[in-house]
Amino acid sequence: EVQLVQSGAAVREPGDSLKISCKGSGYSFSSHWIAWVRQMPGKGLEWMGIIFFGDSETRYSPSFQGQVTISVDKSLNTAYLQWSSLKASDTAMYYCARLGTDSSNWSYFDYWGQGTLVAVSS
Amino acid sequence: SSELTQDPAVSVALGQTVTITCHGDSLRSCYASWYQQKPRQAPVCVLSGENNRPLGISDRFSGSNSGTTASLTITGAQAADEADYYCNCRDSSGFYVFGSGTRVTVL
Repeated sequence: EVQLVQSGAAVREPGDSLKISCKGSGYSFSSHWIAWVRQMPGKGLEWMGIIFFGDSETRYSPSFQGQVTISVDKSLNTAYLQWSSLKASDTAMYYCARLGTDSSNWSYFDYWGQGTLVAVSS
Repeated sequence: SSELTQDPAVSVALGQTVTITCHGDSLRSCYASWYQQKPRQAPVCVLSGENNRPLGISDRFSGSNSGTTASLTITGAQAADEADYYCNCRDSSGFYVFGSGTRVTVL
């Protein structure tokens, strides 16, 4: 069974650093991409970026380029999303999602983590 | 622009049919996927590619794409279909953009 399990909720102060994780199981990690998606309170889904487990190729949405870092640890089958200096506006739910392909070979996000709530407040 | 625009909200009577639309230039070269999100839950894909439903998704969900518009149709809407729905498409830069989202209310 494919599963993506994310790390628990985090409460931090502005200026803190943070790294949240997304651990995959039940599938071949090296042949898939993992994306991170932000959802601010009461708002819609925002695609932040994506990383390929095989060679760590990474693409960032222009809105998030330079604001976060996406990485993987292949030995742990885990993807990460990190901030070096959090802002109050980073308060949101963050989801990881696996990019799969359907029977017509179109890509879509077929498995999602349960979400990690990040709260940034002084 | 790779922006995807959706109507903020639609309502449908129980058992009736509702269509949600998604507009954007990137849809000319992409079949949108659609995601359902219920309160306090992670999104779930209900439709991908050329009208493909993932395992376990009801055949009440169907889709179409034409030009710069993608559509998701719910036939015979049920109370369980009340949720937020988002389209998603890979643009020419390789970015997977989400639509602005549509809240579906079943009356």
